[in-house]
Amino acid sequence: NAGVTQTPKFRVLKTGQSMTLLCAQDMNHEYMYWYRQDPGMGLRLIHYSVGEGTTAKGEVPDGYNVSRLKKQNFLLGLESAAPSQTSVYFCASSYLGQGGTPQHFGDGTRLSIL
Amino acid sequence: AQKITQTQPGMFVQEKEAVTLDCTYDTSDQSYGLFWYKQPSSGEMIFLIYQGSYDEQNATEGRYSLNFQKARKSANLVISASQLGDSAMYFCAMREGLDNYGQNFVFGPGTRLSVLP
Repeated sequence: NAGVTQTPKFRVLKTGQSMTLLCAQDMNHEYMYWYRQDPGMGLRLIHYSVGEGTTAKGEVPDGYNVSRLKKQNFLLGLESAAPSQTSVYFCASSYLGQGGTPQHFGDGTRLSIL
Repeated sequence: AQKITQTQPGMFVQEKEAVTLDCTYDTSDQSYGLFWYKQPSSGEMIFLIYQGSYDEQNATEGRYSLNFQKARKSANLVISASQLGDSAMYFCAMREGLDNYGQNFVFGPGTRLSVLP
């Protein structure tokens, strides 16, 4: 019963390098999200997807790209990493539906940009 | 303007006592939902409780209850009989535009709760 799985769990990058964070969910959820969590600021939405092949910008999309080629996977890419992108990244998923459909979160990816 | 405000950066409570974590929100939508999540030191986000804007009764889930005051736009979390394992960060979140399957989730900055033995 995996739920939402994020890989990798930790990563250190140098400024200018690129990388992709992978999120996989096995709950057949329609919606998927990427957040970043910085101290004192709670979670901020980067991008989200309401279905396979669709993506949309959240509150802080600059410097990130996403893709949802398969329903169960949501990829977050950093094309040219910057120190300001040092953060903990959370992926979440939820069912399509009105009302109290909560988001299910992965365990997070701790990313440091030197 | 902040959509979710949690005015208590940190709170202390004695074990077995009740504690209230404050949350106020700002929205012009008529249909929205309010959530509380717990984040222990291990880092995972755990869903605790949900309150819909049209729900007439306050939500309850075990030792968690939500004190929903719609006119004041507040959705405070009440934890009864605190346990040491309740020590964690607590986030209030709002989902707007429920009538249109809205996906705009907004989180507050969180409150760190410490339960004292």
